[in-house]
Amino acid sequence: DSGVTQTPKHLITATGQRVTLRCSPRSGDLSVYWYQQSLDQGLQFLIQYYNGEERAKGNILERFSAQQFPDLHSELNLSSLELGDSALYFCASSVASGGTWGTQYFGPGTRLTVL
Amino acid sequence: GNSVTQMEGPVTLSEEAFLTINCTYTATGYPSLFWYVQYPGEGLQLLLKATKADDKGSNKGFEATYRKETTSFHLEKGSVQVSDSAVYFCALSVHQTGANNLFFGTGTRLTVIP
Repeated sequence: DSGVTQTPKHLITATGQRVTLRCSPRSGDLSVYWYQQSLDQGLQFLIQYYNGEERAKGNILERFSAQQFPDLHSELNLSSLELGDSALYFCASSVASGGTWGTQYFGPGTRLTVL
Repeated sequence: GNSVTQMEGPVTLSEEAFLTINCTYTATGYPSLFWYVQYPGEGLQLLLKATKADDKGSNKGFEATYRKETTSFHLEKGSVQVSDSAVYFCALSVHQTGANNLFFGTGTRLTVIP
């Protein structure tokens, strides 16, 4: 158990809908990352937050957005869903201090199926 | 840019065989290197890491050495077990003031047969 929790574990929805994925980082970790794992694109970085602020963006679509709350949990919002958004979405967290970012520890993932 | 090239799978080995999964990288700065493992139906687990040249990461009998001269971080294990069957991902992160997201290889599926 990495200490990173994600909910829900599975999500099935229809095209055009909107969903929210939730992540709670390990205790003490200030930085949260979102990754997408799909069959055709592999594992791709989406976005990073540090202590509530966006720090880096990867291949995140405009239909997707994220935020990190004061209690450090994070949510990834996916809207106008398409069939191609079906994937496993991982959250990771790391300690960030002293100028170093630390090792990323991953949650169990949320499997999104868009029908 | 930053990228990781990983040996294509799948790899099938008999129990107690020697394992090598090749990984090479390209990085804009000085990267840290990682191997993550994904067991069936589970998330990613950190297997081992190395943060500077010539460092050797090791865990659960797996080893990988950070080779700057060949930009490689090959994963090895002397004697694999059925329980090692999983998908293995090589990854890098480059320390920057703003971020340190991971860049992953495509993953190598390992199946170990009794």
